[in-house]
Amino acid sequence: DSGVTQTPKHLITATGQRVTLRCSPRSGDLSVYWYQQSLDQGLQFLIQYYNGEERAKGNILERFSAQQFPDLHSELNLSSLELGDSALYFCASSGGGQGYTFGSGTRLTVV
Amino acid sequence: GENVEQHPSTLSVQEGDSAVIKCTYSDSASNYFPWYKQELGKGPQLIIDIRSNVGEKKDQRIAVTLNKTAKHFSLHITETQPEDSAVYFCAAPSYTGTASKLTFGTGTRLQVTL
Repeated sequence: DSGVTQTPKHLITATGQRVTLRCSPRSGDLSVYWYQQSLDQGLQFLIQYYNGEERAKGNILERFSAQQFPDLHSELNLSSLELGDSALYFCASSGGGQGYTFGSGTRLTVV
Repeated sequence: GENVEQHPSTLSVQEGDSAVIKCTYSDSASNYFPWYKQELGKGPQLIIDIRSNVGEKKDQRIAVTLNKTAKHFSLHITETQPEDSAVYFCAAPSYTGTASKLTFGTGTRLQVTL
């Protein structure tokens, strides 16, 4: 157990739908990062939050949004889902050092 | 932004042999270089990292070397075992104002055969 909790582990939904992925960072970590990993692909940075504020944005689609709440958990919202959004979505947290701790991911399948 | 290139994309070695994975980065301000191991169905796990003030770091059978002048760093695994089979990612940070984020290489699928 890495200390970073992601729910749900698996999600199957239809095109056009909206889903929310949840991440609880490791205790004490203020930064949360979201990454997307498509089949046999690398880790693509989506967005970073630090203590509730957006800090950095990657190639995140306009249909996607995220937020970090006062208790530091974060949610990634994916809307108007397309087949190509099927992927593993990882959350990672860090606590001021530069190392990331990753969760076990949410596997999203859009049918 | 940072650009990280990783080679090879796949690597097959026999048990007991050594494996080397190489990465290059573009941002000369980068000062921290982690390596992650991702097993099937799991999230990436940090296995070793190196900071720019050292040239080499070793932890049992794994080691990382860094050449800041050439902007490349490498992961070395000696005496490979079947449990070393996984996808390995290198990463380097990029900085925007007060924010930093890790940019990952495209990964190396290592297969250790008996």
